[in-house]
Amino acid sequence: DIQMTQSPSAMSASVGDRVTITCRASQGISNYLAWFQQKPGKVPKRLINGASTLQNGVPSRFSGSGSGTEFTLTISSLQPEDSATYYCLRYNTYPLSFGGGTKVEIK
Amino acid sequence: QVQLVQSGGGVVQPGRSLRLSCAASGFAFSTYAMHWVRQAPGKGLEWVALISFNGGNEYYADSVKGRFAISRDNPKNTVFLQMNSLRAEDTAVYYCSTDRDDYWGQGTLVTVSS
Repeated sequence: DIQMTQSPSAMSASVGDRVTITCRASQGISNYLAWFQQKPGKVPKRLINGASTLQNGVPSRFSGSGSGTEFTLTISSLQPEDSATYYCLRYNTYPLSFGGGTKVEIK
Repeated sequence: QVQLVQSGGGVVQPGRSLRLSCAASGFAFSTYAMHWVRQAPGKGLEWVALISFNGGNEYYADSVKGRFAISRDNPKNTVFLQMNSLRAEDTAVYYCSTDRDDYWGQGTLVTVSS
């Protein structure tokens, strides 16, 4: 099975900072990658599909890029409400697999 | 409005079975593939299973293959997860979700403990 390695596992940044989270696939997955945001006690919310397609209603400070084996989620200007755990999801073949998650805290 | 209402969680002994339900409303359920995703306490998300829109195809995580079965009843707008031979490591909050449009159930806690 294809494994997803997400980094960092946790980070702390200030409001207004640019934040980058990386997901690496053990094999090429084209652009079959989604990014999710999960706040404590809440259900996950999909931010990006197809590696770079922003979902309806998601703020434009979020963006995704990459193809093949390396992908990034970028928050261009971190806001207090962005404090959450972020997960990538590979969906090119079954079984699907999530990355291990990145907890983003606000300094 | 769109709703996915889950039921069926609880405490169960190792080796026993449990069936989760996820009742959909407010969208064309029979046209959506459906996932089950779980999250162990304090841990990350783990994909569990998917069933195609018409029930013709099922896919499972290696960790549950042969023990769990996903099914659906389209006339009743409901998807199920039958969990057999439960283990302590199956303890988690289980979520149903749609394959597109990002609809999620509220989650239901399954605790496997003697």
